[in-house]
Amino acid sequence: GALVYQYPRRTICKSGTSMRMECQAVGFQATSVAWYRQSPQKTFELIALSTVNSAIKYEQNFTQEKFPISHPNLSFSSMTVLNAYLEDRGLYLCGARDWGVRQYFGPGTRLTVL
Amino acid sequence: QQQVRQSPQSLTVWEGETAILNCSYEDSTFNYFPWYQQFPGEGPALLISIRSVSDKKEDGRFTIFFNKREKKLSLHITDSQPGDSATYFCAAVMNYNQGKLIFGQGTKLSIKP
Repeated sequence: GALVYQYPRRTICKSGTSMRMECQAVGFQATSVAWYRQSPQKTFELIALSTVNSAIKYEQNFTQEKFPISHPNLSFSSMTVLNAYLEDRGLYLCGARDWGVRQYFGPGTRLTVL
Repeated sequence: QQQVRQSPQSLTVWEGETAILNCSYEDSTFNYFPWYQQFPGEGPALLISIRSVSDKKEDGRFTIFFNKREKKLSLHITDSQPGDSATYFCAAVMNYNQGKLIFGQGTKLSIKP
């Protein structure tokens, strides 16, 4: 079946430091990968979306300078949160879409900033 | 501006009853609507979805009713079970070729045994 793995599941970093998280789609061919953040008491905010044969597109309020993303192929993606501060805490979700419209999410990486 | 709205924010029903979760949207170009189920500490799992060309989608105890004219849809969970207790998110997609989902704020559902 289609699975999306994320690593690490939880991470704690000091304010002003950076942390990297990874995402891997297994069991299906991903045509797009999207990173979302679910902040406390909030719904999902799209950070960036990358599709086949196109550049990574960042949403308003999110920049490549703050959330650089690397994806050697659509089955694997990594994102770094640079200079993390309190407002960056939350659950970071990776969603990978198959050749249809179904988007599968990983369990998320929960970021705590001290 | 919230493009996808859900109500109620929280809902409690007795085991065996039907839970009804509501969702509405603003942009008429949205054409695909997945519902996700999320348990505490986990990522959202795709539960059921509907395309705008349909007005009903059924999968076991879960049914989506879709009203394109009113830009509303609802998720009905019949014979509710304690294991259905979770937060349910309605989402919308406007471009079939993209993976961009617009999520609602979620409805926290509690099933009392």
